[in-house]
Order: sequence, then structure tokens, then C-alpha cells
Amino acid sequence: AAGVIQSPRHLIKEKRETATLKCYPIPRHDTVYWYQQGPGQDPQFLISFYEKMQSDKGSIPDRFSAQQFSDYHSELNMSSLELGDSALYFCASSTKVLGILETQYFGPGTRLLVL
Amino acid sequence: AQSVTQLGSHVSVSEGALVLLRCNYSSSVPPYLFWYVQYPNQGLQLLLKYTTGATLVKGINGFEAEFKKSETSFHLTKPSAHMSDAAEYFCAVSRGQGAQKLVFGQGTRLTINP
Repeated sequence: AAGVIQSPRHLIKEKRETATLKCYPIPRHDTVYWYQQGPGQDPQFLISFYEKMQSDKGSIPDRFSAQQFSDYHSELNMSSLELGDSALYFCASSTKVLGILETQYFGPGTRLLVL
Repeated sequence: AQSVTQLGSHVSVSEGALVLLRCNYSSSVPPYLFWYVQYPNQGLQLLLKYTTGATLVKGINGFEAEFKKSETSFHLTKPSAHMSDAAEYFCAVSRGQGAQKLVFGQGTRLTINP
């Protein structure tokens, strides 16, 4: 079965640079979530989208923005990168079944290293 | 608001022994509960979930968990550990009525001794 695809898998950036992470949800999934997992930490929710609209917002810095496109893929844009942004960024997707959002399925993650 | 506490950041068991990973949650509404496993340098894989109905849920790889509302717990068990079970395990909670944003516990690193 098709899974969530994230690109790139690894990314190295310098401080103050920008980065764009991409997420391609499972086909027919219309909801996308972004999570950040710091070294040795649990994943923290950043933001989510449903049908191209922001549906929820967590601890996402103002330097970050995200959007969901008409084909349901999503991009997380990160500007003015800081050393503390180094983390594993997960995307998850889900869809509604009988009106209820179903289980979130996670992608393999993008490992971002800021030097 | 929801929160999750996993008791024990590291658990070590012998191969063939019982695995018990503890998870307690706090939720102001009926929760949906999940266990995810993360192998080194990999993403999160769903082990099992509780939404409604039967409180004992079975998942992949021989794992199961029991939802105990009175104890606000959702402990993960496996009767006999295998070397391949070594990984990080995360308990997570979301508000009811569907898998909205997940709130994760701190994780438990499971080590299997030969």
C-alpha cells in the first residue's frame, strides 16, 4: 500500500537560511499534520490542514509557515533557521471515515541539520 | 487538554520475557489512544489504537493494550519479547471523534537482552 512520502529525507542548512520540506499524503487522504521531533524528544505537533485550510495550530514558530495544495500535498517553509531547528520533521496524513477522522499514518520524516 | 505520561524512559527485558510498557493519560473528553513504535532512524509505525468499543485491543507483532478508564491507563504488553522488538515506543492521545492532533508521551526505549 502507498505510504506518506516526505522529501527530502535529509537536509543540511546554515543558520539564517531557509528550508522547504514536502509531504505527499496517502492517496485520497485529505488531512495533513506536521510534527517536530527534537533529539531524544517526543514528537510535537506543529500544524495541520484539512481540504487546503489550516485546521489546527500547535507550537509552530512564526518563522515557519505551511500550506496544503490542491493535490493535497503540503509544504513546510522554514526561514531564518536556528540551530535549535535541527530535528526530525514528520508529516502524517489521514482522512474521514463516516465523518470521523481516522488514524494518522506517518511518513519516514525529514532530518534537518542546521549548522 | 490532553497529556500522556509514560512511566520509565528505559525498559530492559530478556528475550522471551513479558513486555510491559506503561502509559497513563489525562483527557477532558473521551480519548482516542494510540501506541506507535519507532525503530532507529525511521518514522512512526502504528502498533494499535483504541477508539471505542472493546477495551482490549490487539495490534501488530503480537502486542496488545487494554484501556482502563478507571485507572486512566493504556498499558502495552507482549507475552514474549523478541530481539526485533527493540525500539522506542510512544503512547499518544487525541481528542475523541477522530484522530485529531496527537499528544505524545515522552517515549520508552525498549531493550531486549539475549
